[in-house]
Amino acid sequence: TQLLEQSPQFLSIQEGENLTVYCNSSSVFSSLQWYRQEPGEGPVLLVTVVTGGEVKKLKRLTFQFGDARKDSSLHITAAQPGDTGLYLCAGAVGNQFYFGTGTSLTVIP
Amino acid sequence: SQTIHQWPATLVQPVGSPLSLECTVEGTSNPNLYWYRQAAGRGLQLLFYSVGIGQISSEVPQNLSASRPQDRQFILSSKKLLLSDSGFYLCAWGYTEAFFGQGTRLTVV
Repeated sequence: TQLLEQSPQFLSIQEGENLTVYCNSSSVFSSLQWYRQEPGEGPVLLVTVVTGGEVKKLKRLTFQFGDARKDSSLHITAAQPGDTGLYLCAGAVGNQFYFGTGTSLTVIP
Repeated sequence: SQTIHQWPATLVQPVGSPLSLECTVEGTSNPNLYWYRQAAGRGLQLLFYSVGIGQISSEVPQNLSASRPQDRQFILSSKKLLLSDSGFYLCAWGYTEAFFGQGTRLTVV
């Protein structure tokens, strides 16, 4: 079983602040995904990063894949209450997707 | 476009009763299919995955089993539920990324 550790586990910030979530592993992944999940629903894919060192931007969200393809980060600029949710990273190994431990983000208006 | 359906949304079952959760995918052929379980506010644990009809791989030995009787149908079963089987169960399909159903909240009482 591949282990991905996310930090922090919980994050509560004021609207307008910036934040970074980290996803770390000792394993190498062919690709890494980030998802956001609302309570009682399935995770929704935000982005996939494939190349070591790759950076992708999705509006106020910036995703980076580590050079060695073992870790990733998600940076949110000027967080909004709509960003509230559980953020999950997932690493792909062959046909399998292994998920991180999750970061629960609350953005306070 | 591809869609994934998972049912039921919620389920309350007594200890020792059987379980059958069903998941179907539309709009794609020969997808990889997955069953995950999620503890509250945490990451996803991969239970089973399938790369084709009748092909099931188990990640964690436990009180559950999975079957894939048709190309786009994935079933999670148990003969006798335990209290510890309670959780949020998610079905997903994908190749390089995972796409999830709405989930089933199972409570074993």
